[in-house]
Amino acid sequence: IAGITQAPTSQILAAGRRMTLRCTQDMRHNAMYWYRQDLGLGLRLIHYSNTAGTTGKGEVPDGYSVSRANTDDFPLTLASAVPSQTSVYFCASSLVGGGADEQFFGPGTRLTVL
Amino acid sequence: QQQVKQSPQSLIVQKGGISIINCAYENTAFDYFPWYQQFPGKGPALLIAIRPDVSEKKEGRFTISFNKSAKQFSLHIMDSQPGDSATYFCAATQEGGNNRLAFGKGNQVVVIP
Repeated sequence: IAGITQAPTSQILAAGRRMTLRCTQDMRHNAMYWYRQDLGLGLRLIHYSNTAGTTGKGEVPDGYSVSRANTDDFPLTLASAVPSQTSVYFCASSLVGGGADEQFFGPGTRLTVL
Repeated sequence: QQQVKQSPQSLIVQKGGISIINCAYENTAFDYFPWYQQFPGKGPALLIAIRPDVSEKKEGRFTISFNKSAKQFSLHIMDSQPGDSATYFCAATQEGGNNRLAFGKGNQVVVIP
């Protein structure tokens, strides 16, 4: 059982380029989340999805988009990357949404935008 | 606005000592308070959580103490070990509805032998 997988593990990207971070879970969880982690700022929620077909904005959604076509996949897209999007990105899932259910995190994607 | 505030930012503890991390929150509607543990290069993982119907919850060497009137909760790591060296995040949310988990900024704990 893999849990949550993220790809790529790390990426260096030129500013202005488009990039999609992939996230897949095999736990049949309804809710999925994308966070970014920056030194001194902790974990900040970018977007979330409580169930397939629905998405919502988190604390820092600008410059990012997500889709939830099925239960397992929750890709995060940077349409035109900027250096301030340099961060470590974590995907997470939980059985139900609403925040009070245990969230399972992936291993993260380290993104550098030059 | 930071909904959950952690202190101190970092902590160095001798092996066998007690690590204490404090969190304060503003929203009195919050009713679920988890702590997540993150090792270097890994994603966070749930360590222990508490709901306000109890003032303390213990799991092994880890204890959460909850003070509803002060709107504070803390994590105590008893008999700290080098393997406990990690970043610890407190979080809070209101159960149900469309509420999200609000994380603190994290606290790096280093346990020295």
